[in-house]
Amino acid sequence: EPEVTQTPSHQVTQMGQEVILRCVPISNHLYFYWYRQILGQKVEFLVSFYNNEISEKSEIFDDQFSVERPDGSNFTLKIRSTKLEDSAMYFCASSRDQSIEFFGPGTRLTVL
Amino acid sequence: KNEVEQSPQNLTAQEGEFITINCSYSVGISALHWLQQHPGGGIVSLFMLSSGKKKHGRLIATINIQEKHSSLHITASHPRDSAVYICAVTATGANSKLTFGKGITLSVRP
Repeated sequence: EPEVTQTPSHQVTQMGQEVILRCVPISNHLYFYWYRQILGQKVEFLVSFYNNEISEKSEIFDDQFSVERPDGSNFTLKIRSTKLEDSAMYFCASSRDQSIEFFGPGTRLTVL
Repeated sequence: KNEVEQSPQNLTAQEGEFITINCSYSVGISALHWLQQHPGGGIVSLFMLSSGKKKHGRLIATINIQEKHSSLHITASHPRDSAVYICAVTATGANSKLTFGKGITLSVRP
């Protein structure tokens, strides 16, 4: 069964460093999403992406964040200069038609 | 502001019991999702609803648009149903953005 994959599973970085979180969505899906979940808190929407552009973003998704689909299969989330409060689990998701979303296993980001 | 409230916050049940988890929201929506999050963190979509009722195996989801309320029922509960159950909504006009509830932690004892 096709699934969304994410790498790495755990990323540790120093405050101020850039990180890139990678996702491979399901191959025939057209809509892509990033979410984050700070430990013990609810899941929060970051951004949705369709047709090679951002379709919607939350107030969390400021200038430090960017997304890209560089090669038709990967979908990346870049955080330019990480802060301590960026420590969270980051989930990628994809859907074929804005209905059911399929979530990846998540990347745990720890900023020291 | 769109709020998604879930109740109860934590729920413990005995194997075999019928379980109901509730979700209420404060704005008009185009869709409501029920999601399951396992202890390892992985999230699985269970249902997407815009009206009525859906059933999949032992799970049933209902929604009442007028009352802005949805329920997730688990029949013949089993310890493997132990997880966090999350309700999330797409507000009308919000395109694809999901607003999540805090989730309900369900423990089913053998």
